[in-house]
Parts: sequence; C-alpha cells; structure tokens
Amino acid sequence: QKEVEQDPGPLSVPEGAIVSLNCTYSNSAFQYFMWYRQYSRKGPELLMYTYSSGNKEDGRFTAQVDKSSKYISLFIRDSQPSDSATYLCAMSSNTNAGKSTFGDGTTLTVKP
Amino acid sequence: GAVVSQHPSRVICKSGTSVKIECRSLDFQATTMFWYRQFPKQSLMLMATSNEGSKATYEQGVEKDKFLINHASLTLSTLTVTSAHPEDSSFYICSAVDSLVRFGSGTRLTVV
Repeated sequence: QKEVEQDPGPLSVPEGAIVSLNCTYSNSAFQYFMWYRQYSRKGPELLMYTYSSGNKEDGRFTAQVDKSSKYISLFIRDSQPSDSATYLCAMSSNTNAGKSTFGDGTTLTVKP
Repeated sequence: GAVVSQHPSRVICKSGTSVKIECRSLDFQATTMFWYRQFPKQSLMLMATSNEGSKATYEQGVEKDKFLINHASLTLSTLTVTSAHPEDSSFYICSAVDSLVRFGSGTRLTVV
C-alpha cells in the first residue's frame, strides 16, 4: 500500500466550477502537507503549504488538512482554463521537511 | 524570492555516455538537496538525499554507482547519470529547502 493515495483523474470541469482534489495518507509522522501544480514538462510549483491540521486559504485556493482522518483536500473556486494542470499532493515529516512523499497526481482540465 | 536553478532543462545523449545535471540554490544555502525522478504520467519518486560535504543517501532500489551525486558546496549539487541507457530516460528534478521546499524546473533526459 502506498503511503500517499491521491484520487485518480483525469478530472474535467467547466469554467467557473468548484474543484475538489483529495489525498489520503497512512503515515502518522507526516506534519507538512503541500499541494503542487505541474504543467506539462515543467517542474512542480508550490501552491499551498500547511503545517499540521486546519484550513488555509489563498485567493481561489483552499487547502484543508484533517489529521484525524489522514485526509487532505485542495479546493479551487471559480476555476479557470489556466488552472488546467496536474495537481500533486505531497507530505513530509517534522524531522525532514524536504523529503517529500508525493501522490500520483490528478490531471485537471477546465473547459472554457 | 528563493529560487532553485536546474541545468540543463533538456538533454539528449547516446546510450553508454554519462550526463551531468546541476542543481543550484540561488540566494540561499542548502546543506541538503533532494533528487527526484518522474516517469511519464507518474508521480515524483525520491531518488536520493544530497548532503553537503558528505555522501548522499540513496533510496531503496536506486543504484548509487549509476546515479552519482556530488554536493561540493552549499549552493550546488550535481547528479551524474553514468553509462546511461534508454530506460534512464526520465524527468529529473531537484529540490532544496529554505523556509519552504523549492523545486528546480527539471531536466528531461532522453537516452537514444
């Protein structure tokens, strides 16, 4: 069983829709939770970063972490065609924040 | 802001030759850097942790004699793919941590 499981895609939504991306994990040592956006043939770009449980909002993006359920989510409001990309969740432990374990990614297409 | 620069962005080499990929932290020092590999439509898999002034730590299944890592300064880590074969063709990405995890833009290696 993988340490991090991400909802498989692909996901296709109309412009303006609310998008929900989700990951579950099994390692209780994970304390840092990240969401990355990756465009084709590019390196991942950090979108959201959360330490421990809770919610974090940044513009149209909201990240939620529920450590009791080992479940994290990324919500995108008013989705735009430019949001079309692969979204990766990633997690790391307190002792080594740079050593991340990634989900397999969800490819999102927002249609105009 | 803090940036991780990776070079080259793309490289094509002949089977049996060696290829060096550089990862530099700009504007910050990184005693530790991380090397990931990403196959098409798959997630990032950690290959090794590069430690300044000491030996790299390799993940299980990664051949240390094939993927040579040198972290000679606080701002530079290099990954050399030795005797490259077509199955080594992949997207290689490095990362380093200042206050957040920063990823390079990746190197697409094609071995022909």
